[in-house]
Amino acid sequence: ETGVTQTPRHLVMGMTNKKSLKCEQHLGHNAMYWYKQSAKKPLELMFVYSLEERVENNSVPSRFSPECPNSSHLFLHLHTLQPEDSALYLCASSHQTSGGSGANVLTFGAGSRLTVL
Amino acid sequence: GQNIDQPTEMTATEGAIVQINCTYQTSGFNGLFWYQQHAGEAPTFLSYNVLDGLEEIGRFSSFLSRSKGYSYLLLKELQMKDSASYLCAVLDSNYQLIWGAGTKLIIKP
Repeated sequence: ETGVTQTPRHLVMGMTNKKSLKCEQHLGHNAMYWYKQSAKKPLELMFVYSLEERVENNSVPSRFSPECPNSSHLFLHLHTLQPEDSALYLCASSHQTSGGSGANVLTFGAGSRLTVL
Repeated sequence: GQNIDQPTEMTATEGAIVQINCTYQTSGFNGLFWYQQHAGEAPTFLSYNVLDGLEEIGRFSSFLSRSKGYSYLLLKELQMKDSASYLCAVLDSNYQLIWGAGTKLIIKP
């Protein structure tokens, strides 16, 4: 247990479904992240929330919609996904220093393995 | 563009030593991270280097040469539990993390 919990661990969905991924952290961190991890590819940063405000989007398709209701919870809402969106979705949290600069160590969850049929 | 290179896969023997290299070309440098990720588990932090030289982390060591854009992770007295992927990531001038694709390390008895 890292202190960052993701549910569900596995999800299979059709292209017309709507589902959500959930992330919860109990570390007192003030920044949360969504990453996409595909086989043999670098981690792709999707969204960053610092103090519950989204600070980075990275041109992610609108079929992915994040929500951060408070500093401990993060959601990724999914709708009309494509098969190429099948991947491991990792949530992470960190203590963000003032101004966003600093070498912040990320604490990751174990991920949600998404398969889009 | 920004780029991090590390070998895709390496194999080593239990009890031996292995060195995983990482070379980087980034716009600016504010430090380099190594993370370990066991299959089906969360990546976990191993080390952070911002100055040249060697950092010891138990059986592991991480080395950095900023002038060469190069780092390595050295694993000694390998154990079966060291079988994992090792991710290299560089913090660029904007404090954005640039990730390598990871090195899958296979330990054989």
